[in-house]
Amino acid sequence: QVQLQESGPGLVKASETLSLTCLVSAGSITSYYWSWIRQPPGKRLEWIGYMYYTGISNYNPSLKSRVTMSVDTSKNQFSLRLRSVTAADTAVYYCARGLIIFGVIDAFDSWGQGTMVTVSS
Amino acid sequence: EIVLTQSPVTLSLSPGERATLSCRASQSVSSYLAWYQHKPGQAPRLLISDASNRATGIPARFSGSGSGTDFTLTISNLEPEDFAVYYCQQRSNWPPTYTFGQGTKVEIK
Repeated sequence: QVQLQESGPGLVKASETLSLTCLVSAGSITSYYWSWIRQPPGKRLEWIGYMYYTGISNYNPSLKSRVTMSVDTSKNQFSLRLRSVTAADTAVYYCARGLIIFGVIDAFDSWGQGTMVTVSS
Repeated sequence: EIVLTQSPVTLSLSPGERATLSCRASQSVSSYLAWYQHKPGQAPRLLISDASNRATGIPARFSGSGSGTDFTLTISNLEPEDFAVYYCQQRSNWPPTYTFGQGTKVEIK
């Protein structure tokens, strides 16, 4: 059964870049689409974007100008970079695997446990 | 952006009872709706995709129904391990984007 584990700094300074990595275990990263999803304290989950190992990507329009995702097949991991962060980017960040139905991701069938990232001023 | 509204916010029930959770979309999402269970400190768990299809390994006491704008997650016979927060999630048409409901907490009465 696939396992996902997020890693990265728990504290990022405002205006800097948030960088997280998700290690995929017991499964090939080239067989699925991979996503990042976050949940700010007291707020609902927010989808950030998804990526395929070929470079195909799709980002949330509200974050698109600041987000870059990448996949490293040699390490079986994928990454998130979010530029110019503010306090509003403080959240628990989850990596997740996309479940493809009818050729499109319809849901997310495996998730990491999440990592809390706080943006400090 | 399609907004999902879940009700109730909190549901207080006893083990063995039936839980009925609602998710309403601000516009039609066809059947592109999923349900998740989330416990503190754990990874969210996919329960239902495509409105009514149980995910792999999900017990039969979990069932989903609905289409268009109104959806329901039913837990027929609450087990102690079912007390958690439940989220719905929709997928919009091309390009696909995804939004989540605010969650319903099922707590022990």
